[in-house]
Amino acid sequence: DVKVTQSSRYLVKRTGEKVFLECVQDMDHENMFWYRQDPGLGLRLIYFSYDVKMKEKGDIPEGYSVSREKKERFSLILESASTNQTSMYLCASRPTGTAATGELFFGEGSRLTVL
Amino acid sequence: GNSVTQMEGPVTLSEEAFLTINCTYTATGYPSLFWYVQYPGEGLQLLLKATKADDKGSNKGFEATYRKETTSFHLEKGSVQVSDSAVYFCALSDSTGAGSYQLTFGKGTKLSVIP
Repeated sequence: DVKVTQSSRYLVKRTGEKVFLECVQDMDHENMFWYRQDPGLGLRLIYFSYDVKMKEKGDIPEGYSVSREKKERFSLILESASTNQTSMYLCASRPTGTAATGELFFGEGSRLTVL
Repeated sequence: GNSVTQMEGPVTLSEEAFLTINCTYTATGYPSLFWYVQYPGEGLQLLLKATKADDKGSNKGFEATYRKETTSFHLEKGSVQVSDSAVYFCALSDSTGAGSYQLTFGKGTKLSVIP
């Protein structure tokens, strides 16, 4: 089975702190994604990466950056956390190729609270 | 652009009731369609999928049929259980060429099943 592991399930940080959210997948998937999930807004795409060292902005990239130095790891960085970044963050990965359907495999989520 | 519209919740049902969650979509190509489920405190997991018109996806007693003529992918279950209480997301994946896909989610429908 595909496993997508997010390093922290729950984090509490203070305004202005730098926050790292780590995600690792074990199935050699090329594509990786970061979403945030908020009540009433559904899932919104922050950043995604098609391959190592590649990154693309999603729908709401402001206030975030990402790093993909290795294929299996995709990190989300909040350079200076703010209270409006309190949210559930979901990492996902998927394979590419002719047999792929675009299905995403999700981690369990990281719930971040910024005080 | 692509979009997914699903019925707003929350939906509350008694155990053993019949469930329908409506989902309609707009897409420029020939998308694959998915239902994801999110149990409390967890990430999303794939419930079922259909990759072409008239396909029926099924899993854990849930079913959905890909209807191209009505651009719909309604989720149904004949007899819900308390353990089905979760948030359900309809999604589509549309190929953008060269093995790349754009995934679009609905906003989610929260289901609560009471004994």
